[in-house]
Amino acid sequence: GAVVSQHPSRVICKSGTSVKIECRSLDFQATTMFWYRQFPKQSLMLMATSNEGSKATYEQGVEKDKFLINHASLTLSTLTVTSAHPEDSSFYICSARDWSSQETQYFGPGTRLLVL
Amino acid sequence: GENVEQHPSTLSVQEGDSAVIKCTYSDSASNYFPWYKQELGKRPQLIIDIRSNVGEKKDQRIAVTLNKTAKHFSLHITETQPEDSAVYFCAASYTGNQFYFGTGTSLTVIP
Repeated sequence: GAVVSQHPSRVICKSGTSVKIECRSLDFQATTMFWYRQFPKQSLMLMATSNEGSKATYEQGVEKDKFLINHASLTLSTLTVTSAHPEDSSFYICSARDWSSQETQYFGPGTRLLVL
Repeated sequence: GENVEQHPSTLSVQEGDSAVIKCTYSDSASNYFPWYKQELGKRPQLIIDIRSNVGEKKDQRIAVTLNKTAKHFSLHITETQPEDSAVYFCAASYTGNQFYFGTGTSLTVIP
């Protein structure tokens, strides 16, 4: 099946620093990738839709200048949390849509971010 | 935008019994409804999905039903096993665009 990787799996940073998370589709091309945020014991909240070669579309309430998304190739999207604060601590998960299967999204393993 | 509600939030069943999780959605344009299973600290895994042109789909012990008129869909797990214990999420989408997830159901199968 389709494989999506994320790096790093876990990161601890100081408040005020920026953190970059990578999401890669390993065996398929993903024209669209999605970024979610998940708090403990809660659902996945869609943050933004990332389309290769164009600007990301952010969901209402998500600050685009805070969460920078770049989708430079068909297999890589990055999420940069800028000037991170403790309230940004969360589990960030990406997913990628296989263009050939239209609807199915495959999820990465997630990145646990802790901002001190 | 789409709003997906999911019930129950927690569910405990005896091993071998059936489990049913229900979801409702608000946007009649939604036409793709996947179900994901997420174990603690791991990624969501697609277990079954259904498109709006189908009323029911089955895959071994797992089945999903869809009622477009009422805008609700359900996951049915038969002959539950301890390894079925996890959090299950439903989602609604229009042609695979943004997924809007339900709030999740924590299923515990008691041996």
